[in-house]
Amino acid sequence: DQQVKQNSPSLSVQEGRISILNCDYTNSMFDYFLWYKKYPAEGPTFLISISSIKDKNEDGRFTVFLNKSAKHLSLHIVPSQPGDSAVYFCAALPEGSTNAGKSTFGDGTTLTVKP
Amino acid sequence: NAGVTQTPKFQVLKTGQSMTLQCAQDMNHNSMYWYRQDPGMGLRLIYYSASEGTTDKGEVPNGYNVSRLNKREFSLRLESAAPSQTSVYFCASPDRSSTDTQYFGPGTRLTVL
Repeated sequence: DQQVKQNSPSLSVQEGRISILNCDYTNSMFDYFLWYKKYPAEGPTFLISISSIKDKNEDGRFTVFLNKSAKHLSLHIVPSQPGDSAVYFCAALPEGSTNAGKSTFGDGTTLTVKP
Repeated sequence: NAGVTQTPKFQVLKTGQSMTLQCAQDMNHNSMYWYRQDPGMGLRLIYYSASEGTTDKGEVPNGYNVSRLNKREFSLRLESAAPSQTSVYFCASPDRSSTDTQYFGPGTRLTVL
């Protein structure tokens, strides 16, 4: 049973518009969530995170929202830029874990931002 | 400061052949991890090493062995490669001072025929 799900394999948006990437999880023990960005032929890079004690975290153009009751989080990118075109992975850590290495990853969403 | 490096970048093996994937980090981190990423899927943890001299199984350890040679280096060995091990392999090293920060290598693309 997949514990972290990204149900949209791909998303295409126009430059300047908002990109919304969604992630659902099933394990109620998860309490820390991360988003990674991955370009082709490169390793993932950390983008933004959120703790379950918050419902929103913002970093520049990137905002992550967490709805703990729905076990759902989303990543908003505003405005979207062509350089944001990449695969985005949602990942979750269980309660008490302090090491991102033990994250459970979703399958990723490929974002394409069209000029 | 190269971060996390991996060799080789690409490899093609025949079924039954063996090989070792190398990983090194120059950040003086204690932990190192090996993941595999299959097409259209997320990263799955194969093995990890919380500190020099220790290794532990992750989610998908079967068919692999690891060696934490020293604090810098963590190798992944396939003793008898199988087509099901065709994947992209990533080595990573988390920063203990931050829950968030995990540095990934560029990956090794392995094809087993």
